[in-house]
Amino acid sequence: GQQLNQSPQSMFIQEGEDVSMNCTSSSIFNTWLWYKQDPGEGPVLLIALYKAGELTSNGRLTAQFGITRKDSFLNISASIPSDVGIYFCAGQYGNKLVFGAGTILRVKS
Amino acid sequence: GAVVSQHPSWVICKSGTSVKIECRSLDFQATTMFWYRQFPKQSLMLMATSNEGSKATYEQGVEKDKFLINHASLTLSTLTVTSAHPEDSSFYICSADLRDRGDTQYFGPGTRLTVL
Repeated sequence: GQQLNQSPQSMFIQEGEDVSMNCTSSSIFNTWLWYKQDPGEGPVLLIALYKAGELTSNGRLTAQFGITRKDSFLNISASIPSDVGIYFCAGQYGNKLVFGAGTILRVKS
Repeated sequence: GAVVSQHPSWVICKSGTSVKIECRSLDFQATTMFWYRQFPKQSLMLMATSNEGSKATYEQGVEKDKFLINHASLTLSTLTVTSAHPEDSSFYICSADLRDRGDTQYFGPGTRLTVL
């Protein structure tokens, strides 16, 4: 089946630092999405990428859809304490999603 | 826009009983809804795809007779866990896709099921 490799698995950074995480796959996806999940809640959509090479920003978040359609990265600039949580990438094929294993982000204030 | 709700947010039941979880799209119509299961410290795993007015499509390894899905309207899908056992304890999350936004899925807040 299709699998996404998401890295890093976890990060512990200083408030104000920039954060970067990425996902790679052996399969091509039509859409890449980045979600954030807080404990005990459902994932919240952060950024959706629909075209290869697309670079999209949402406030302090920036994500790119790799040109090969097999990878994507998410950057968070100037992290703040409320950025803590689990970040998931997801690749879409047809109308289905396959998720990465998640990146746990912890921020030291 | 694109708000999805779930009810209940948590439920505790005895082994052998059945539990129904509702998923509603509040401000849009969703032709397709999805049900996921998430075990602690793990990612989301798709259980089934639910289309309004037709039978759900289950992923490999998911028992359709144990996890009954009904999608009676464009805003409501239900998941019933029948004869629940402790190993069914998990976080169940639904999503609905917004066709006008490239089938982007929006997720509900999840339902924590604990089977004693």
